[in-house]
Amino acid sequence: SQELEQSPQSLIVQEGKNLTINCTSSKTLYGLYWYKQKYGEGLIFLMMLQKGGEEKSHEKITAKLDEKKQQSSLHITASQPSHAGIYLCGADHSGGSNYKLTFGKGTLLTVNP
Amino acid sequence: EAGVAQSPRYKIIEKRQSVAFWCNPISGHATLYWYQQILGQGPKLLIQFQNNGVVDDSQLPKDRFSAERLKGVDSTLKIQPAKLEDSAVYLCASSLPAGQGLALVNIQYFGAGTRLSVL
Repeated sequence: SQELEQSPQSLIVQEGKNLTINCTSSKTLYGLYWYKQKYGEGLIFLMMLQKGGEEKSHEKITAKLDEKKQQSSLHITASQPSHAGIYLCGADHSGGSNYKLTFGKGTLLTVNP
Repeated sequence: EAGVAQSPRYKIIEKRQSVAFWCNPISGHATLYWYQQILGQGPKLLIQFQNNGVVDDSQLPKDRFSAERLKGVDSTLKIQPAKLEDSAVYLCASSLPAGQGLALVNIQYFGAGTRLSVL
C-alpha cells in the first residue's frame, strides 16, 4: 500500500552488525504493529506501538514510534542468522474505529554468518 | 494455547478450477481475517468477519471469491473459477480486540497460510 512505505526493500548484513528498518506512513499512525515472516510461513507478532515517542524492546530488537506518529523504526543490535526473514509493519490508520491493519511491502533481511 | 490453523498448506490447480481453503481461529477470537499475499508484497485484506457477520469485503473479487464463517468459528474461502493471477499465499488471522478508540489494541495472530499455485 502506498499509505505505508518500508525501507529498505532488502538488506544484507554480516552477523554481529546493527541494522535499522523504517516504516513511513502518509497518515497518522494510531497503532503500529511489527511482524516477522519466514519464507513459507505466517506472520509472527513482534511489538506494537501506540504513543508518540514510544519505544519498546524485546531481546535485541527495539522499535520506536516518532513524536509525530508518522514513522516507526525497527533496530536490531548485533544481528544473528536467526534474525533473517521478512519484517512487515502494519498500521492502524482508523484511530480504533475499525479493526483493520494496512501492511507495508516488507523488508527482506539476510544475515550472513 | 493453539494458534490459527489453516489447511491445506499447499495447493496446485489449473486455471478455471475451483479451490477452497479452511481456517480455524484461536479459540474465543471474534474477529477473523483473510488476506492475500502475492510474492514480494505485503498482505492485502480480502475479507473481515466479526463473529459470523461480514464487516469488510470491499477488496474481495466477488465474481470469483466467496467466504463464510459458520457459527462464528471456522471459516472457508473459495475461489471459483481460479485465474493465474490468484497464485499467492492466502493467510488467515484472528484477533480479540481490547480497548476502544485511540486505546484500541488489536494484535492479529496469523496462521501459516496456504500457498496456491494456479497453472
